[in-house]
Amino acid sequence: GDSVTQTEGPVTLSEGTSLTVNCSYETKQYPTLFWYVQYPGEGPQLLFKVPKANEKGSNRGFEATYNKEATSFHLQKASVQESDSAVYYCALGAGTGGYKVVFGSGTRLLVSP
Amino acid sequence: EAAVTQSPRSKVAVTGGKVTLSCHQTNNHDYMYWYRQDTGHGLRLIHYSYVADSTEKGDIPDGYKASRPSQENFSLILELASLSQTAVYFCASTRGLGNTLYFGEGSRLIVV
Repeated sequence: GDSVTQTEGPVTLSEGTSLTVNCSYETKQYPTLFWYVQYPGEGPQLLFKVPKANEKGSNRGFEATYNKEATSFHLQKASVQESDSAVYYCALGAGTGGYKVVFGSGTRLLVSP
Repeated sequence: EAAVTQSPRSKVAVTGGKVTLSCHQTNNHDYMYWYRQDTGHGLRLIHYSYVADSTEKGDIPDGYKASRPSQENFSLILELASLSQTAVYFCASTRGLGNTLYFGEGSRLIVV
């Protein structure tokens, strides 16, 4: 079945440093790839999505490229802020006749001032 | 703005008891989902539905049933709650293929 594997956390960074969270996926279908973010006490919310291979998505300074050949969708940000502290989920959405969205295990990011 | 509401937000249940978690969406979405969240496992899909009166098994359906009596409502039922079902449960909805999931705020279940 479909699966998503991402960087184990927690990832601890200082403000102003760069972030990379690795995400790789497995599917035999044609997925849409997502990054979701979850803040304490809330449900996950969409950060951005990329429906097509070899395209890039971005939001709030975060970006990721849907690399079909490498089956990867790594999340990057050039300069993190304390407010970026949250849990980040890579996800894959696909299906024929139904639509399943499979999430990775999540990566907790802690940014210190 | 999408709206998914879950109830109860928090519950303590006894082992062997029955638990029903409810979810209501006002988005007019066809698809609804139940996930459980555990440290180290992220979000795992339990059941989902894309039409009223029909449900589909997700990746970890054992010990759970689901019910979709209408487009707006989707329930998760634990007939015989067990300690291992202590977790946070999230409901979500979406229009369908390729679209964003909108999540509720979660239901924290503790089984003692």
